[in-house]
Amino acid sequence: EVQLLESGGGLVQPGGSLRLSCAASGFTFSGYAMSWVRQAPGRGLDWVSSISGSGTSTYYADSVKGRFTVSRDNSRNTLYLQLNSLRAEDTALYYCAKDKGGCGSTNCYYGLDVWGQGTTVTVSS
Amino acid sequence: QSALTQPRSVSGSPGQSVTISCTGSSSDVGGYNYVSWYQQHPGKAPKLMIYDVSKRPSGVPDRFSGSKSGNTASLTISGLQAEDEADYYCCSYAGSPPYVFGTGTKVTVL
Repeated sequence: EVQLLESGGGLVQPGGSLRLSCAASGFTFSGYAMSWVRQAPGRGLDWVSSISGSGTSTYYADSVKGRFTVSRDNSRNTLYLQLNSLRAEDTALYYCAKDKGGCGSTNCYYGLDVWGQGTTVTVSS
Repeated sequence: QSALTQPRSVSGSPGQSVTISCTGSSSDVGGYNYVSWYQQHPGKAPKLMIYDVSKRPSGVPDRFSGSKSGNTASLTISGLQAEDEADYYCCSYAGSPPYVFGTGTKVTVL
C-alpha cells in the first residue's frame, strides 16, 4: 500500500524554525517528484514547494522562497521541508503529496495522486 | 502565482448534476492539458478525482467528469449523491513554479 506519513510539526515562535519529514512507503520513492501543500485553518489548498525525483530540481511559492528549503533522501525514502524565519501566516496543516508520474521523467508535475494526513505547524508567541 | 478562480459554492439535489468552473490564464489552465481536481471532506486529506483534464484514477466513479475550454476547466458531478458533499479544488500545471491551486468550491447536496 502506498503511504505517506508526515511528522515534525508543532508550536514555534515567530522567527523560529522547524523541519518537517514525510516518510514514504509502497512505491519507488526516487521515481517520483514530490510536493508540499499547506492549508491554513478554514482556508484552501496552497502549493508550497516541489522537488524532482532525483532532488536536482526544486521549486517554491513566492511566499516561502528564501525561507523554506525542500530536500529528499532517496536512500531513506523521506522527503523534508526545512522551515525558517517562520511567520504567523505560515500557520497551517502541511501535507506531503506524491506526483502521479507517467510523463517519462521524475521531474513532472501533472497531478498529486497520494497525500499524507498532514502535520500541523502553528506559529505564535 | 495567482490562484485559479472557482465559485465559492454550488448546490444540487440528489440525482441532479452540478458543474464547478475553474478559471485561470494562458499561463496555466489554457496553456497545458494538466488540470487536476481534488475532493476534500472535512478533516480529511485531499483525494485526486480527475487528472489530465478529464481522466479518472481507478476507483473514482464515472459520474465525475472533467473538461476544458480555453482558460477555463470544469468538473461535473452527475447523479449527485450525499457523499459528494465536500470541498473541491482544481489545480493546474503552470510551468515554473509547477502548480497553482484553485480557490476551492463547497458542494452542498440539498
